[in-house]
Amino acid sequence: SAVISQKPSRDICQRGTSLTIQCQVDSQVTMMFWYRQQPGQSLTLIATANQGSEATYESGFVIDKFPISRPNLTFSTLTVSNMSPEDSSIYLCSVAAVYGYTFGSGTRLTVV
Amino acid sequence: KQEVTQIPAALSVPEGENLVLNCSFTDSAIYNLQWFRQDPGKGLTSLLLIQSSQREQTSGRLNASLDKSSGRSTLYIAASQPGDSATYLCAFQYNQGGKLIFGQGTELSVKP
Repeated sequence: SAVISQKPSRDICQRGTSLTIQCQVDSQVTMMFWYRQQPGQSLTLIATANQGSEATYESGFVIDKFPISRPNLTFSTLTVSNMSPEDSSIYLCSVAAVYGYTFGSGTRLTVV
Repeated sequence: KQEVTQIPAALSVPEGENLVLNCSFTDSAIYNLQWFRQDPGKGLTSLLLIQSSQREQTSGRLNASLDKSSGRSTLYIAASQPGDSATYLCAFQYNQGGKLIFGQGTELSVKP
């Protein structure tokens, strides 16, 4: 099963700033997924990132707020831009593996 | 609309008890179902994957079942231990490579 290294594991950021989250996979994967988990809530898909093309965003999420890069088949970044306290959440990346989906360890973001 | 519901939202049991977590879904045309465990503030750990053609999967003290006709899946945990305390999430995939749709989770506490 694929192993994902996600960083940072947590951060406290000032409102109005941006944070870039990185995910590195130990094998080549076609699609990477980015999820958000707001406090006390379940996971919501932000976008799907394919290598070599623009990410596909779910309803309610826009590229200006959550730009995604996918420079190769093992790496992706998600940026949370112009942050507000409402962006305080856990952000997770995921890939489809042979035995289901594998998730990174998550980034716990607090915006103050 | 594809919705996933988990009952109960929270469960507290004494150590050693057998327990069942429930997950129901509205659209039976699933591709597969996956159960995850999430420790507080952390990422997701995959527990079991059931393909749409399967009825159940077992791993150690865990057994997951799938009944598409009734729109239900259950996760059975035998001889629960304090280390089993976590939030358990079920998630459905409706096509190969597609996104996961998550339930709200069941927060399990196993008391020594």
